[in-house]
Amino acid sequence: EADIYQTPRYLVIGTGKKITLECSQTMGHDKMYWYQQDPGMELHLIHYSYGVNSTEKGDLSSESTVSRIRTEHFPLTLESARPSHTSQYLCASSESVRGSSYNEQFFGPGTRLTVL
Amino acid sequence: KNQVEQSPQSLIILEGKNCTLQCNYTVSPFSNLRWYKQDTGRGPVSLTIMTFSENTKSNGRYTATLDADTKQSSLHITASQLSDSASYICVVSDRGSTLGRLYFGRGTQLTVWP
Repeated sequence: EADIYQTPRYLVIGTGKKITLECSQTMGHDKMYWYQQDPGMELHLIHYSYGVNSTEKGDLSSESTVSRIRTEHFPLTLESARPSHTSQYLCASSESVRGSSYNEQFFGPGTRLTVL
Repeated sequence: KNQVEQSPQSLIILEGKNCTLQCNYTVSPFSNLRWYKQDTGRGPVSLTIMTFSENTKSNGRYTATLDADTKQSSLHITASQLSDSASYICVVSDRGSTLGRLYFGRGTQLTVWP
C-alpha cells in the first residue's frame, strides 16, 4: 500500500468557489504529479514537479495551479471552480533513481470533484 | 504520436473463469510497460512491470506478456474472483524524457459475476 494521501475524497461545490485539493506523500519522493481522469477515459497529466520549488504544466491544459513548498506536499488550487472542472483528480509520486528505467508512480486514492 | 490502445473496452465473465486483456502501443523509445488495476473511486495500483527484455511476468493469478517487436502486451487473469472487478489500465513509459513520461490506455472495465 503506497503512502500517498489525498483530501478530500469527495467534494461538491458551487460555481465560482475557490478550492484546494490536498496531496501528501511520506515516501520522500522527489517527483509528484497531478492527473485528471473522466469516466471511461485515460489519465491526463495536468501538473508535475521535480522537487521543491519546481512546478510544470502537463499535457492537458488546466486552469488549476499547484505549489511545491515542501517535498511531501503538492496541493492543487482552483481559484474559481466551474462545472467543466467536474472530474476525478489523482495525485502520484515517484522516486528519482539515476539509471533506473522503472520510474514507478504510486497513486493516491483520488478526489472526486463535482461543481454545480 | 505516442498512443496506447486497449481492448476490449469492457468485459463480463463468470467467477472462476479466465480472461485475457489486450494492449497495443506506439510509444517510442520504449522504456517499460505496466499493468495497473483501478478499483472504482480509487487510484491505480501496479500489478506488473516489464522492460524491453522481459516477455512475461506473473503476480499471483495475473500474468502479463510483452512482445516488444509487435508492440503488444496482454494481461491474463486466471480463476477470476469477484474482487477482480475493476478497470485494468495498460501504461507505457518512454525513455525520451527525464520525467519518465507515462502514456495511459483508457482501460478495460472487467466485471466478474457470481
